[in-house]
Order: sequence, then C-alpha cells, then structure tokens
Amino acid sequence: DAGVIQSPRHEVTEMGQEVTLRCKPISGHDYLFWYRQTMMRGLELLIYFNNNVPIDDSGMPEDRFSAKMPNASFSTLKIQPSEPRDSAVYFCASSLMARGPGYTFGSGTRLTVV
Amino acid sequence: DQQVKQNSPSLSVQEGRISILNCDYTNSMFDYFLWYKKYPAEGPTFLISISSIKDKNEDGRFTVFLNKSAKHLSLHIVPSQPGDSAVYFCAASDVSGYALNFGKGTSLLVTP
Repeated sequence: DAGVIQSPRHEVTEMGQEVTLRCKPISGHDYLFWYRQTMMRGLELLIYFNNNVPIDDSGMPEDRFSAKMPNASFSTLKIQPSEPRDSAVYFCASSLMARGPGYTFGSGTRLTVV
Repeated sequence: DQQVKQNSPSLSVQEGRISILNCDYTNSMFDYFLWYKKYPAEGPTFLISISSIKDKNEDGRFTVFLNKSAKHLSLHIVPSQPGDSAVYFCAASDVSGYALNFGKGTSLLVTP
C-alpha cells in the first residue's frame, strides 16, 4: 500500500482565494482525520470521519473551512476564502480505530497564504 | 484549551546519553497514551504507547513511563542516536474512543 497520499505537497495562494487540499486514505481504514500543525497550537484536530460520515467537526476554526468525504477513498479540506493565518501544515491521517496507535499520516500539505 | 501539554519546545542531548521528553495532561478520562515521531517534510509516525493500567512500557531503546496521579508521562531514549533527532508528539485518547489529542511537540536534537 502506498500509504496516505496528500496533494498538493505545497500550496502558495493569495489571501481571498479558495484552497482545496486532497487526501487518499489507506484502503480499508474506516477513520480519516484532518489535523493542522502550527507552532502555536501543535497538532490540532480539525475534523474526523468514520465510514465517510463526519463525526466531529468542532475543531474546524471557522465557517470558511469545510471538509467532505464523498467516498471511502477520497477526502477534501476546503478553505474559502483563505487568510494568512491559515498558513500551516495540514495533515491527513487514516486508521482502523479512532484511538490509535494505527494512525498513518500523510506527508502533509504546507499551505502559505500571502 | 490544550489537554495534552509538552512544555519543552526543544531539547538537545549528546549522542549516547539519555533523552527524556515530558508530557502532562489535564483530562482524567484519558486512558491511552502514545508517542509519535516526526521528521521534517514527513508525517508523524507511531513510536510507542502505554495503557493506563500500566506504568511502564519498553520497546528497545524507548521506554514510556506513566504517572497517573501526577497526570504525567515521559519518554526515555537510551542511548540517544543522531537519527533520533526529530519532533516528538505526545498524544492521548479517552475511554469514549474519541480521536487522538496531541501536544505541541518537542524538538529533539542529538549531537554527535
């Protein structure tokens, strides 16, 4: 298995633009997580899905953020409109269970909003 | 509000010595604790875990200690190697099976 695949690896965009981050989880994993890494807050959970259904999106910072999982092999995190404070590394992870330890993380998308 | 706290942003240790990374938590419902390791430009990878029914778990050079009364856990790396240089994240999960709650991470540098 190729692991969790995220795209793009890097994204630079101007403030106000729409940004879409993509994730392909490991086949057979029922859970998919979106985390954001910043210096101030470390790794913070944004949203997670179980069997394609959003379980908790309380970590999504604002209405500008939305996430979807239309099928078991694909998820998107969208920011519209983007702001400079959204600059961070966004990780997608998948797992058989919510509690770990089997979280497999993707390599992340480094987002820079200028 | 951070429920998992890693108060040392960085740590530098000489090769061959012991590295001790610390983690505190505030949620008494946490019953499963993990350490993840992250190299630059890569995602975090699982390192070692411990259940609240134990106070110690060992895996080769890595040992995690849990002090439930103090709500504190630590990761010991003995002996430290330059390849251990990475960011280490402490994580915790509660009995409800909710997603992992991570700390801010500690950047470890092991110098030759």
